[in-house]
Amino acid sequence: KNEVEQSPQNLTAQEGEFITINCSYSVGISALHWLQQHPGGGIVSLFMLSSGKKKHGRLIATINIQEKHSSLHITASHPRDSAVYICAVKSMGNQFYFGTGTSLTVIP
Amino acid sequence: EAQVTQNPRYLITVTGKKLTVTCSQNMNHEYMSWYRQDPGLGLRQIYYSMNVEVTDKGDVPEGYKVSRKEKRNFPLILESPSPNQTSLYFCASSHPGLAHNEQFFGPGTRLTVL
Repeated sequence: KNEVEQSPQNLTAQEGEFITINCSYSVGISALHWLQQHPGGGIVSLFMLSSGKKKHGRLIATINIQEKHSSLHITASHPRDSAVYICAVKSMGNQFYFGTGTSLTVIP
Repeated sequence: EAQVTQNPRYLITVTGKKLTVTCSQNMNHEYMSWYRQDPGLGLRQIYYSMNVEVTDKGDVPEGYKVSRKEKRNFPLILESPSPNQTSLYFCASSHPGLAHNEQFFGPGTRLTVL
């Protein structure tokens, strides 16, 4: 059972390209999180969404609750954006479910 | 500095030898959680705690125990480790009451069970 599905699994982009990572989920949620994991392994939280859209610098996250879908966009991508991006949902029961991640490589 | 700490960071042990991985946060967060991360499977929740003395099973609790006697600490206990518990473990905390409610992750503990 996969409560959270992400696509694509792997993504290679040229520096400056606009990037979109998609996340679909099948459970009722109280919130959706986008996480970033760098090659060293550390995980940081980028966004927490319960509705609408959020923007932080070159990163934009959107969520459509009715369609159970979220997207993470990166504008003007840069090699330092290379990382694994993980979608996570917090269920109504306070349990977390994760996608398997999207490995992004931005080439100079 | 607001942070989640885990110890040890790396551990190699043998089957059946009880071990504890500690997790501590200094942000007065109510919610704490343990995850394991495996190639191809991603992150999976082991146990979580909504507050002191309140713990619940996540997706993969078998073979693990936790306790939450104090708000800041949430140790993960493997009573009899087995090779299938070889994994990268993360502890995280958050404050459900905050609007932003982001999770803060520890640096990870890489466990190898021989």
